[in-house]
Amino acid sequence: ETGVTQSPTHLIKTRGQQVTLRCSSQSGHNTVSWYQQALGQGPQFIFQYYREEENGRGNFPPRFSGLQFPNYSSELNVNALELDDSALYLCASSQNTGEASEAFFGQGTRLTVV
Amino acid sequence: AQSVTQLGSHVSVSEGALVLLRCNYSSSVPPYLFWYVQYPNQGLQLLLKYTSAATLVKGINGFEAEFKKSETSFHLTKPSAHMSDAAEYFCAVTLDYKLSFGAGTTVTVRA
Repeated sequence: ETGVTQSPTHLIKTRGQQVTLRCSSQSGHNTVSWYQQALGQGPQFIFQYYREEENGRGNFPPRFSGLQFPNYSSELNVNALELDDSALYLCASSQNTGEASEAFFGQGTRLTVV
Repeated sequence: AQSVTQLGSHVSVSEGALVLLRCNYSSSVPPYLFWYVQYPNQGLQLLLKYTSAATLVKGINGFEAEFKKSETSFHLTKPSAHMSDAAEYFCAVTLDYKLSFGAGTTVTVRA
């Protein structure tokens, strides 16, 4: 059973550019959530996808968008990058959207905006 | 909204000493609570979770946590610290579809 994998592990972008981060969910999981973790802080919820539909969104602007594919993998897209977007982006998958459902996290993508 | 507060951003313990990490939650209903560990440059790993089945929850790596409704607390403990326990620890609560995390506590272990 493979775990949650994210790509790339690191990348550097220039302010104003666009970026796409990718996540492969764990086998058997239909729910993917994305979190942003700024340096020295706890992860902040961006949004969740359940069976290819957005199932909830945190307090992030519309330039943060996502997709979930039929195989339940997911993408996080960020347009018009700002310096404050520099962070570790974490993807988590779970078997369903229930509150007790355990979330399994990937190793994250470290995004640096210069 | 439900949230958690972790008391102490940094804890330093000697190897073999008790590890105690504090977490308080705010909730009007019994919550689902979690403790996660994050090693440098890695994602989060679940240590344990409370889902109302038992107030004392045992997790991986010798950690356990006790849910105390009267104190709205869910403190994490380990009787004897090991060098490998050096990491950042996050308490989290679920509301609907998302995890809400505390600010984290960094644990350092002195030889």
